[in-house]
Amino acid sequence: DTAVSQTPKYLVTQMGNDKSIKCEQNLGHDTMYWYKQDSKKFLKIMFSYNNKELIINETVPNRFSPKSPDKAHLNLHINSLELGDSAVYFCASSRDPNYGYTFGSGTRLTVV
Amino acid sequence: KQEVTQIPAALSVPEGENLVLNCSFTDSAIYNLQWFRQDPGKGLTSLLLIQSSQREQTSGRLNASLDKSSGRSTLYIAASQPGDSATYLCAVDPGGYNKLIFGAGTRLAVHP
Repeated sequence: DTAVSQTPKYLVTQMGNDKSIKCEQNLGHDTMYWYKQDSKKFLKIMFSYNNKELIINETVPNRFSPKSPDKAHLNLHINSLELGDSAVYFCASSRDPNYGYTFGSGTRLTVV
Repeated sequence: KQEVTQIPAALSVPEGENLVLNCSFTDSAIYNLQWFRQDPGKGLTSLLLIQSSQREQTSGRLNASLDKSSGRSTLYIAASQPGDSATYLCAVDPGGYNKLIFGAGTRLAVHP
């Protein structure tokens, strides 16, 4: 009965590779998000989708491309991975900001 | 530009103490404020959500207050237990932007 699930939990890959992280929510929420937590533990918004439409793109390099096939899924594809992309990526969803946000357990990406 | 600051950055206390974690934000025009808990290597667990019109919320041994005019929130933990050891994150929703702005967190260690 996981609310927001992300796969994989861990991802180790070489520089220059392309990788994807998947996210699914079974809460019936309309809006989904990707956040990045860097080595200093700061969490920052990357993207926000509402009903499959992009509504926020916080100056993320265009090597990062989110894709929302339906409102329950928001995947993150990263091209030409760089060392600086190493971080923990969190998916989240919300019905309405008045009700708060629900986060997934995170994907730890390590680029070597 | 909204900024969120949490003090202290780290806290180590003996079991049984009552604790106060502080969060301040620079722009008082917020939609709501949410406190999360993050365990090492794990995702974020929502603890309390305070709407902008509310002054406080309680859940078990946790009590969160909000003073919008002064840009402050506090998380009060009563009778702390070793199981409370985690990083506590404060996040504000500035409203209308579909995103949360996080503080850097307070790393709490409760020792027996």
